[in-house]
Amino acid sequence: AQSVAQPEDQVNVAEGNPLTVKCTYSVSGNPYLFWYVQYPNRGLQFLLKYITGDNLVKGSYGFEAEFNKSQTSFHLKKPSALVSDSALYFCAVASNAGNMLTFGGGTRLMVKP
Amino acid sequence: KAGVTQTPRYLIKTRGQQVTLSCSPISGHRSVSWYQQTPGQGLQFLFEYFSETQRNKGNFPGRFSGRQFSNSRSEMNVSTLELGDSALYLCASSLDGIYEQYFGPGTRLTVT
Repeated sequence: AQSVAQPEDQVNVAEGNPLTVKCTYSVSGNPYLFWYVQYPNRGLQFLLKYITGDNLVKGSYGFEAEFNKSQTSFHLKKPSALVSDSALYFCAVASNAGNMLTFGGGTRLMVKP
Repeated sequence: KAGVTQTPRYLIKTRGQQVTLSCSPISGHRSVSWYQQTPGQGLQFLFEYFSETQRNKGNFPGRFSGRQFSNSRSEMNVSTLELGDSALYLCASSLDGIYEQYFGPGTRLTVT
């Protein structure tokens, strides 16, 4: 079985500061890792993915994530947070068995001016 | 390209009734997946359809079913509704293989 853990329910950061949202995973076989963001009353928006290749993945809106196989982690990062980044962030993993995504519980990011 | 569309956006049903939700994927996407989102259980995978066939299924009771049509549009049906079925139901589409899924805005189902 595959699983995802997002250990922080909420992350608070000041605008302009770097942000990190943590994610660890467990999966049999090669992991396919994703980050999504959800704004209030909206569906999920795709941010970035890791399938293979470079461990540092760049995505939308200046976000990036670092894949660490030994620590089974895929933390989301951004060098300089914006107030508009405030939202709910989900990490997800899929196995090579297909399109079944397993999501973490979500982390609420609050960026204060 | 138009995004994933879901209808209706909001539904209120009574316990014991059944409901059908609809999803139109992004043009060219052949895989459609459904997820249930609740405050308590978070996001949970329901099932995935590809080329009119159910390819993956999550751990939900048989009251939850779905189908996909030849134009890739998909419907999800929940029979004998329970209060616990109140949730945001999200549909997502993707190309085949391990590609990113694109989500619709969801259908908010309230069971009273």
